[in-house]
Amino acid sequence: AQSVTQPDIHITVSEGASLELRCNYSYGATPYLFWYVQSPGQGLQLLLKYFSGDTLVQGIKGFEAEFKRSQSSFNLRKPSVHWSDAAEYFCAVLLTGGGNKLTFGTGTQLKVEL
Amino acid sequence: DGGITQSPKYLFRKEGQNVTLSCEQNLNHDAMYWYRQDPGQGLRLIYYSQIVNDFQKGDIAEGYSVSREKKESFPLTVTSAQKNPTAFYLCASITKSGGGSGELFFGEGSRLTVL
Repeated sequence: AQSVTQPDIHITVSEGASLELRCNYSYGATPYLFWYVQSPGQGLQLLLKYFSGDTLVQGIKGFEAEFKRSQSSFNLRKPSVHWSDAAEYFCAVLLTGGGNKLTFGTGTQLKVEL
Repeated sequence: DGGITQSPKYLFRKEGQNVTLSCEQNLNHDAMYWYRQDPGQGLRLIYYSQIVNDFQKGDIAEGYSVSREKKESFPLTVTSAQKNPTAFYLCASITKSGGGSGELFFGEGSRLTVL
């Protein structure tokens, strides 16, 4: 069965510092990969997605992610974090052919210190 | 504007009562999903439906039921058989066609608290 691991439950960074959130997946083929962000009490918003092609994908709000097949990773990065980036971030893997089921990691809570 | 509407946003229920959460979408999406979110556990799939009048169990379907009588509606009933129903529930939808565009659109969620 496919799985998604986000090893960091909480991360705290200072405003203006760089950010990297880790995501590892377990899946037999190259998956479709996503990063979502969730503000408290809200639904999820898509930051970026990877299907194929260039392994460095750009998303909204200045985020990017790099797909590394050899490491089964899809880490999310941002060069300079803003206080408004404080939220929970979820990595997800799409299983196609079986109802387009999205499997989520357990999330990483980002805190930004001013 | 197109989107997904969940209601109610907050709901309290007594133990032993069934409760139904509404999810309506005007995106003309084919597939709809219900996820449950608990702190530290991410999102877990309860039920999903790819077409009208058809649905499948997800990973944690016990104690829940759904229906899909209309394309735009996918209500979730939390029954008294669900042992720990207090959670945040998220509805999502996706267009089935398009070769895996893959992006799920989410509603803003419903928070259910059992008293």
